[in-house]
Amino acid sequence: EVQLVESGGGLVQPGGSLRLSCAASGFTFSSYWMHWVRQAPGKGLVWVSRINSDGSSTSYADSVKGRFTISRDNAKNTLYLQMNSLRAEDTAVYYCAREARLEWLPFYYYYYMDVWGKGTTVTVSS
Amino acid sequence: AIRMTQSPSSLSASTGDRVTITCRASQGISSYLAWYQQKPGKAPKLLIYAASTLQSGVPSRFSGSGSGTDFTLTISCLQSEDFATYYCQQYYSYPGFGPGTKVDIK
Repeated sequence: EVQLVESGGGLVQPGGSLRLSCAASGFTFSSYWMHWVRQAPGKGLVWVSRINSDGSSTSYADSVKGRFTISRDNAKNTLYLQMNSLRAEDTAVYYCAREARLEWLPFYYYYYMDVWGKGTTVTVSS
Repeated sequence: AIRMTQSPSSLSASTGDRVTITCRASQGISSYLAWYQQKPGKAPKLLIYAASTLQSGVPSRFSGSGSGTDFTLTISCLQSEDFATYYCQQYYSYPGFGPGTKVDIK
């Protein structure tokens, strides 16, 4: 069964750090780009970060750039999100998601997130 | 950055109704659009990608259309399990989600 399981969430004080993990199983993890998406309480989905299949390329939303770092260990089938300098507005459920692609022309792809974890909750509060 | 809007923000409907949700992009995104369903306390679930392609296992009462800046998600005959929040998402450059449309029971 294709599965993503997040862990590492919890309560942290403003300015603190936390590292989230996302364990992948049931598919060839090293072949897929991966994403982190978050959802603040009662709010919508917000894309946070993405990483390519070998970890050599990363991207971030402006709201987390310079504070969060996405990484992966393909030998351990695990995705990470290192979160530093946390703020109250980072409070959210954090989901990891797998990126899938549909080739519609040679070398042209549609991208979408086809597998999601159940999420891990991060609360930033004093 | 590409901004996504959805309308309505919420709607009330009855089982058996036909429901249409609209998503608009601030610039043309071709067909780089997906739709997700989310129920309270659950992860999002992919329904449609490439604007109109139904994800495997998703009931055929769901359909998507559009290209460029205007897109629609249609549920042809609303079922009890369809009461949820629906998000559009563009992936033309960096991913971005619409604000969501909550479908609840009339």
